[in-house]
Amino acid sequence: GQQLNQSPQSMFIQEGEDVSMNCTSSSIFNTWLWYKQEPGEGPVLLIALYKAGELTSNGRLTAQFGITRKDSFLNISASIPSDVGIYFCAGPKEDSGYALNFGKGTSLLVTP
Amino acid sequence: DAGVIQSPRHEVTEMGQEVTLRCKPISGHNSLFWYRQTMMRGLELLIYFNNNVPIDDSGMPEDRFSAKMPNASFSTLKIQPSEPRDSAVYFCASSRLAGDHEQFFGPGTRLTVL
Repeated sequence: GQQLNQSPQSMFIQEGEDVSMNCTSSSIFNTWLWYKQEPGEGPVLLIALYKAGELTSNGRLTAQFGITRKDSFLNISASIPSDVGIYFCAGPKEDSGYALNFGKGTSLLVTP
Repeated sequence: DAGVIQSPRHEVTEMGQEVTLRCKPISGHNSLFWYRQTMMRGLELLIYFNNNVPIDDSGMPEDRFSAKMPNASFSTLKIQPSEPRDSAVYFCASSRLAGDHEQFFGPGTRLTVL
Protein backbone atom coordinates (compact mmCIF):
# COMPACT_ATOMS: atom_id res chain seq x y z
CA GLY A 1 0.00 0.00 0.00
CA GLN A 2 1.22 3.45 0.87
CA GLN A 3 3.91 2.35 3.27
CA LEU A 4 7.19 4.23 2.81
CA ASN A 5 10.34 2.15 3.17
CA GLN A 6 13.55 3.96 3.97
CA SER A 7 17.05 2.59 3.59
CA PRO A 8 19.46 2.28 5.07
CA GLN A 9 17.97 2.19 8.55
CA SER A 10 21.13 3.76 9.96
CA MET A 11 24.46 5.09 8.78
CA PHE A 12 27.70 5.71 10.63
CA ILE A 13 30.14 7.78 8.58
CA GLN A 14 33.15 10.01 8.89
CA GLU A 15 33.05 13.76 8.50
CA GLY A 16 33.61 14.76 4.89
CA GLU A 17 32.01 11.68 3.36
CA ASP A 18 29.01 11.92 1.06
CA VAL A 19 25.74 10.29 2.15
CA SER A 20 22.98 8.76 0.11
CA MET A 21 19.65 7.43 1.35
CA ASN A 22 16.41 6.52 -0.32
CA CYS A 23 12.72 6.04 0.17
CA THR A 24 10.52 3.67 -1.80
CA SER A 25 6.87 2.77 -1.99
CA SER A 26 4.69 0.37 -3.95
CA SER A 27 2.29 3.28 -4.50
CA ILE A 28 2.71 6.37 -6.63
CA PHE A 29 3.24 9.67 -4.85
CA ASN A 30 2.70 13.12 -6.33
CA THR A 31 4.75 14.85 -3.67
CA TRP A 32 7.84 13.81 -1.74
CA LEU A 33 9.08 15.58 1.35
CA TRP A 34 12.30 15.14 3.28
CA TYR A 35 12.53 16.05 6.95
CA LYS A 36 15.38 16.01 9.48
CA GLN A 37 14.83 15.44 13.18
CA GLU A 38 17.49 16.21 15.75
CA PRO A 39 17.37 14.75 19.26
CA GLY A 40 14.71 16.40 21.41
CA GLU A 41 13.30 18.44 18.54
CA GLY A 42 10.53 18.19 16.00
CA PRO A 43 11.08 17.27 12.34
CA VAL A 44 12.28 20.15 10.18
CA LEU A 45 11.35 20.30 6.51
CA LEU A 46 14.45 20.15 4.29
CA ILE A 47 13.20 19.74 0.73
CA ALA A 48 9.85 19.34 -1.03
CA LEU A 49 9.55 17.74 -4.48
CA TYR A 50 6.49 18.06 -6.70
CA LYS A 51 7.37 16.66 -10.14
CA ALA A 52 8.71 13.32 -11.34
CA GLY A 53 12.39 13.64 -12.20
CA GLU A 54 12.73 16.88 -10.23
CA LEU A 55 16.14 17.47 -8.66
CA THR A 56 16.24 20.08 -5.89
CA SER A 57 19.12 21.29 -3.76
CA ASN A 58 19.26 22.98 -0.37
CA GLY A 59 22.88 23.77 0.42
CA ARG A 60 24.78 20.49 0.64
CA LEU A 61 21.54 18.53 0.37
CA THR A 62 20.13 17.31 -2.92
CA ALA A 63 16.91 15.36 -3.32
CA GLN A 64 15.37 13.75 -6.37
CA PHE A 65 11.82 12.72 -7.20
CA GLY A 66 12.11 9.35 -8.93
CA ILE A 67 10.84 8.99 -12.49
CA THR A 68 8.52 6.14 -11.52
CA ARG A 69 7.06 8.37 -8.76
CA LYS A 70 7.54 5.46 -6.39
CA ASP A 71 10.85 6.56 -4.94
CA SER A 72 12.95 9.49 -3.85
CA PHE A 73 16.59 9.97 -2.94
CA LEU A 74 18.40 12.31 -0.59
CA ASN A 75 22.11 12.99 -0.85
CA ILE A 76 24.28 14.95 1.55
CA SER A 77 27.67 16.05 0.30
CA ALA A 78 30.74 16.58 2.48
CA SER A 79 28.98 15.63 5.72
CA ILE A 80 29.67 17.53 8.93
CA PRO A 81 28.93 16.59 12.56
CA SER A 82 25.80 18.76 12.67
CA ASP A 83 24.23 16.58 9.97
CA VAL A 84 23.57 14.04 12.74
CA GLY A 85 19.89 13.21 13.08
CA ILE A 86 17.10 11.10 11.69
CA TYR A 87 16.01 11.79 8.12
CA PHE A 88 12.40 11.04 7.24
CA CYS A 89 10.72 10.90 3.87
CA ALA A 90 7.03 11.67 3.66
CA GLY A 91 4.28 11.76 1.08
CA PRO A 92 0.57 12.59 1.10
CA LYS A 93 -1.90 9.87 1.99
CA GLU A 94 -3.92 8.92 -1.08
CA ASP A 95 -7.25 9.19 0.69
CA SER A 96 -6.53 12.58 2.17
CA GLY A 97 -5.69 16.00 0.81
CA TYR A 98 -3.86 16.93 3.96
CA ALA A 99 -2.32 14.07 5.88
CA LEU A 100 1.18 12.69 5.34
CA ASN A 101 2.62 9.19 5.49
CA PHE A 102 6.07 9.09 7.05
CA GLY A 103 8.82 6.53 6.61
CA LYS A 104 10.54 5.06 9.66
CA GLY A 105 13.62 7.20 9.07
CA THR A 106 17.34 6.84 8.39
CA SER A 107 19.50 7.56 11.41
CA LEU A 108 22.76 9.32 10.52
CA LEU A 109 25.79 9.51 12.78
CA VAL A 110 28.85 11.53 11.71
CA THR A 111 32.17 11.23 13.48
CA PRO A 112 34.66 14.12 13.38
CA ASP B 1 8.77 34.55 12.86
CA ALA B 2 7.70 32.21 15.63
CA GLY B 3 7.31 28.61 14.67
CA VAL B 4 4.79 26.18 16.07
CA ILE B 5 4.72 26.47 19.84
CA GLN B 6 3.92 23.54 22.10
CA SER B 7 3.57 23.28 25.85
CA PRO B 8 4.59 21.73 28.06
CA ARG B 9 7.84 20.35 26.61
CA HIS B 10 7.86 17.55 29.15
CA GLU B 11 5.05 16.03 31.16
CA VAL B 12 5.30 13.28 33.74
CA THR B 13 2.07 12.06 35.22
CA GLU B 14 0.58 9.07 36.94
CA MET B 15 -1.74 6.57 35.33
CA GLY B 16 -5.33 7.72 35.50
CA GLN B 17 -4.57 11.42 35.49
CA GLU B 18 -5.81 13.82 32.85
CA VAL B 19 -3.19 15.26 30.51
CA THR B 20 -3.64 18.34 28.32
CA LEU B 21 -1.16 19.23 25.61
CA ARG B 22 -1.26 22.64 23.97
CA CYS B 23 -0.32 23.97 20.57
CA LYS B 24 -0.14 27.35 18.91
CA PRO B 25 0.23 27.02 15.13
CA ILE B 26 2.16 29.40 12.92
CA SER B 27 0.12 32.54 12.42
CA GLY B 28 -1.81 32.43 9.16
CA HIS B 29 -1.67 28.66 8.83
CA ASN B 30 -5.07 27.09 8.29
CA SER B 31 -4.35 23.42 8.90
CA LEU B 32 -3.21 21.86 12.17
CA PHE B 33 -2.07 18.30 12.81
CA TRP B 34 -1.42 16.25 15.95
CA TYR B 35 1.10 13.40 15.67
CA ARG B 36 2.42 10.83 18.10
CA GLN B 37 5.94 9.43 17.80
CA THR B 38 7.17 6.19 19.37
CA MET B 39 10.12 3.95 18.63
CA MET B 40 7.86 1.09 17.67
CA ARG B 41 5.37 2.89 15.43
CA GLY B 42 7.23 5.98 14.26
CA LEU B 43 5.22 9.11 13.47
CA GLU B 44 1.47 8.53 13.50
CA LEU B 45 -1.14 11.11 12.60
CA LEU B 46 -3.79 11.37 15.30
CA ILE B 47 -6.08 14.11 14.02
CA TYR B 48 -6.05 17.13 11.78
CA PHE B 49 -8.05 20.32 11.58
CA ASN B 50 -8.70 22.66 8.69
CA ASN B 51 -9.98 26.14 9.51
CA ASN B 52 -10.51 24.97 13.12
CA VAL B 53 -12.77 22.09 12.03
CA PRO B 54 -11.70 18.48 12.69
CA ILE B 55 -11.43 16.80 9.30
CA ASP B 56 -10.15 13.33 10.17
CA ASP B 57 -9.78 11.87 13.64
CA SER B 58 -9.42 8.26 12.52
CA GLY B 59 -5.92 8.15 13.98
CA MET B 60 -7.08 8.90 17.52
CA PRO B 61 -6.35 5.68 19.42
CA GLU B 62 -9.51 5.52 21.50
CA ASP B 63 -12.12 7.54 23.32
CA ARG B 64 -9.65 8.54 26.00
CA PHE B 65 -8.13 10.93 23.43
CA SER B 66 -9.85 14.14 22.39
CA ALA B 67 -8.71 17.26 20.55
CA LYS B 68 -10.16 20.72 20.15
CA MET B 69 -9.34 23.82 18.18
CA PRO B 70 -11.45 26.66 19.60
CA ASN B 71 -9.78 29.27 17.41
CA ALA B 72 -7.16 29.65 14.70
CA SER B 73 -4.31 30.13 17.14
CA PHE B 74 -4.85 27.40 19.71
CA SER B 75 -5.43 23.67 19.91
CA THR B 76 -5.42 21.11 22.70
CA LEU B 77 -4.98 17.37 22.82
CA LYS B 78 -6.39 15.78 25.94
CA ILE B 79 -5.92 12.28 27.31
CA GLN B 80 -8.29 11.22 30.07
CA PRO B 81 -7.55 8.92 31.78
CA SER B 82 -3.92 8.49 30.81
CA GLU B 83 -2.24 5.08 30.65
CA PRO B 84 1.45 4.05 30.56
CA ARG B 85 1.12 3.02 26.90
CA ASP B 86 0.33 6.64 26.05
CA SER B 87 3.94 7.54 26.81
CA ALA B 88 5.36 9.06 23.62
CA VAL B 89 6.38 12.34 22.07
CA TYR B 90 3.39 14.29 20.79
CA PHE B 91 3.95 16.77 17.97
CA CYS B 92 1.78 19.50 16.64
CA ALA B 93 2.31 20.69 13.06
CA SER B 94 0.69 23.31 10.87
CA SER B 95 0.52 24.08 7.18
CA ARG B 96 -0.41 27.23 5.33
CA LEU B 97 -3.29 26.11 3.14
CA ALA B 98 -5.58 23.15 2.74
CA GLY B 99 -3.75 20.65 0.58
CA ASP B 100 -0.37 22.28 1.22
CA HIS B 101 1.76 19.31 2.17
CA GLU B 102 4.61 21.31 3.62
CA GLN B 103 3.96 20.86 7.32
CA PHE B 104 5.95 22.66 10.00
CA PHE B 105 6.42 20.88 13.29
CA GLY B 106 6.64 22.13 16.84
CA PRO B 107 9.31 20.91 19.28
CA GLY B 108 7.01 18.27 20.75
CA THR B 109 5.80 17.31 24.21
CA ARG B 110 7.48 14.28 25.76
CA LEU B 111 4.81 12.53 27.84
CA THR B 112 5.66 9.92 30.41
CA VAL B 113 2.80 8.14 32.18
CA LEU B 114 3.92 6.18 35.21
